Amino acid sequence: AQKITQTQPGMFVQEKEAVTLDCTYDTSDQSYGLFWYKQPSSGEMIFLIYQGSYDEQNATEGRYSLNFQKARKSANLVISASQLGDSAMYFCAMRVDGGFKTIFGAGTRLFVKA
Amino acid sequence: DVKVTQSSRYLVKRTGEKVFLECVQDMDHENMFWYRQDPGLGLRLIYFSYDVKMKEKGDIPEGYSVSREKKERFSLILESASTNQTSMYLCASSLGSGRPNQPQHFGDGTRLSIL
Repeated sequence: AQKITQTQPGMFVQEKEAVTLDCTYDTSDQSYGLFWYKQPSSGEMIFLIYQGSYDEQNATEGRYSLNFQKARKSANLVISASQLGDSAMYFCAMRVDGGFKTIFGAGTRLFVKA
Repeated sequence: DVKVTQSSRYLVKRTGEKVFLECVQDMDHENMFWYRQDPGLGLRLIYFSYDVKMKEKGDIPEGYSVSREKKERFSLILESASTNQTSMYLCASSLGSGRPNQPQHFGDGTRLSIL
C-alpha cells in the first residue's frame, strides 16, 4: 500500500530564513510522481512543485525546491527566504504513474514569524 | 487558469437530510475527485470519476454517492447526513492519467456542518 508521512505537525520559521518540510513516502511502484500543495487559511489547495521518480535533477520553482532522495524515499520541500504569506498548511502527495488516485500526507502547518 | 467552483463555502444541514455538494470545472478535465479533509488526517478520497457517467470508489465511500452527468460537473451526495460527516469537502479536477506530472486543481472547499 502507498503511504505518505509528514512527521512535523507544526513548524516555526523566522521571516527571510529557509525552512525544510519533511516528507517520506512508501510505494513498491517504480514510476510515480510527488507533489507539494499549499493550503492557506482561505482553504484553497495550491499546487507548488512536482518531482517525477525518474527525474535526475531536483525540481525547483522560484523559492520552492524539492530535495528528492529516492533511496531514502524522501521528498522534502525547501522554502527559501520565507515570507509572512508562506504561513499555511503544506501537504505532500504522491501518485503512481498511470493511476488516478493521489495519496496525501497529514500536512505540516508552517508559521512564519516577523 | 483552471477554475474549479464549489457551490457553497459554508453549509449547515440537519441529521437525516439528503445533502448535495456541487462542483464545476471549466478546463475540460477528464478526471474529477471528491475529498474530505479532517485535522490530522490530511485529504481522504471519497469518490472519483474519469469520464462522464463513470465513477469509482475511493478510500471512504460509505454514506456517500456521486453523479457525473456532464463532463464539467461532479456532484457529491450525502444520502442521509450524519454528524460524523461534518467536515471540509474539497473537489478537484485533473487531466487524464496519461499525463503524470499534471497536478490536481482544487476548489475553495465546502465546510459542511451536520447538526
